[in-house]
Amino acid sequence: GENVEQHPSTLSVQEGDSAVIKCTYSDSASNYFPWYKQELGKRPQLIIDIRSNVGEKKDQRIAVTLNKTAKHFSLHITETQPEDSAVYFCAADSGGGADGLTFGKGTHLIIQP
Amino acid sequence: DAGVTQSPTHLIKTRGQQVTLRCSPKSGHDTVSWYQQALGQGPQFIFQYYEEEERQRGNFPDRFSGHQFPNYSSELNVNALLLGDSALYLCASSKQGWFVTDTQYFGPGTRLTVL
Repeated sequence: GENVEQHPSTLSVQEGDSAVIKCTYSDSASNYFPWYKQELGKRPQLIIDIRSNVGEKKDQRIAVTLNKTAKHFSLHITETQPEDSAVYFCAADSGGGADGLTFGKGTHLIIQP
Repeated sequence: DAGVTQSPTHLIKTRGQQVTLRCSPKSGHDTVSWYQQALGQGPQFIFQYYEEEERQRGNFPDRFSGHQFPNYSSELNVNALLLGDSALYLCASSKQGWFVTDTQYFGPGTRLTVL
């Protein structure tokens, strides 16, 4: 089955700086790679996703890049703000329309004022 | 437009008991997936239901079973509870795409504590 590795587990950046979180996956059949943000005690919320036919996607301060050959994808947050502090999870599907997502272990992003 | 809802919010059970958790999908969605999230970990896929049938299953024992109703709502049942079943149980709803994984939206979760 799919295996998703995520790092770092904790990332502390100064407000206004950029943050990068990286994930690797094992199943070459995977086609869909979402990123979720989870604040303490709340549900995971989708912040951006990317499909295998696209190499990069951007939404305001957030961007995701995908390298299918190397089987890795990354989340980039620019101009970080205090409200960006949360746990971020990357995930991958199983390919072929099999929708069960395999999640990474999460990155605790801390924005220092 | 209601989002994904789950009930109950919290539940406390003892070892060996059985529990049923409920989920109502987002309006317009027909597929429900269930995940278990242990403290400090990412969600783990349990199974997915579409057209009242289990479409895909993760690596969970048969003690975990589910059901989907004609209105697309779903239940997760766990029998013979173990201490290790204590976790946040999340359901996610989506619109079925046979060859393309659709975006999944999560509910607020049910916090299960097994004593």
